[in-house]
Amino acid sequence: DAKTTQPTSMDCAEGRAANLPCNHSTISGNEYVYWYRQIHSQGPQYIIHGLKNNETNEMASLIITEDRKSSTLILPHATLRDTAVYYCIVSYLGSQFYFGTGTSLTVIP
Amino acid sequence: ETGVTQTPRHLVMGMTNKKSLKCEQHLGHNAMYWYKQSAKKPLELMFVYSLEERVENNSVPSRFSPECPNSSHLFLHLHTLQPEDSALYLCASSQERLGGEQFFGPGTRLTVL
Repeated sequence: DAKTTQPTSMDCAEGRAANLPCNHSTISGNEYVYWYRQIHSQGPQYIIHGLKNNETNEMASLIITEDRKSSTLILPHATLRDTAVYYCIVSYLGSQFYFGTGTSLTVIP
Repeated sequence: ETGVTQTPRHLVMGMTNKKSLKCEQHLGHNAMYWYKQSAKKPLELMFVYSLEERVENNSVPSRFSPECPNSSHLFLHLHTLQPEDSALYLCASSQERLGGEQFFGPGTRLTVL
């Protein structure tokens, strides 16, 4: 079962930052937070993951609260190609990923 | 391109047919996975292989039969499927089973008539 809660859908204006929240209040100390996205009918694409520190890569930033009960994925300058379903997953390294239903992000021109 | 390829990309089969889905990864990974994604449902993990041994089988019906001949190739053999088995079948790989990040192929869109 998914251990995360995400909004069903969000809109974001093109060029603005997209902030996607995720609640994972039952996360345990050795579980990581992963983010993937899936563009319609394609395979999921890895975005970023973290344990307790904030992380940044060329795609996005991941902000994890100090108590680790929630996190936010930030796409700094959303483009139309960022329209996708975004999945927040908590998982011990290599244990089963539960993708849940994710957040459907629509970037609006 | 993720380094994981799947063939065919689309497949239509009757309930009495036998077909196979193929996955190949060019990443040197040791773990491979089959997922099923039905319409408007979350991805469901079907099988996990680590170093060519099946380590997880999530109560998948026997009409789905996986095969992992080596660490780069994974097959899903299909026989006597039902229309409700129509779905997107995704293959993924990771460095190790405990390696975290999984790389996904583009999937095979299967329709069972």
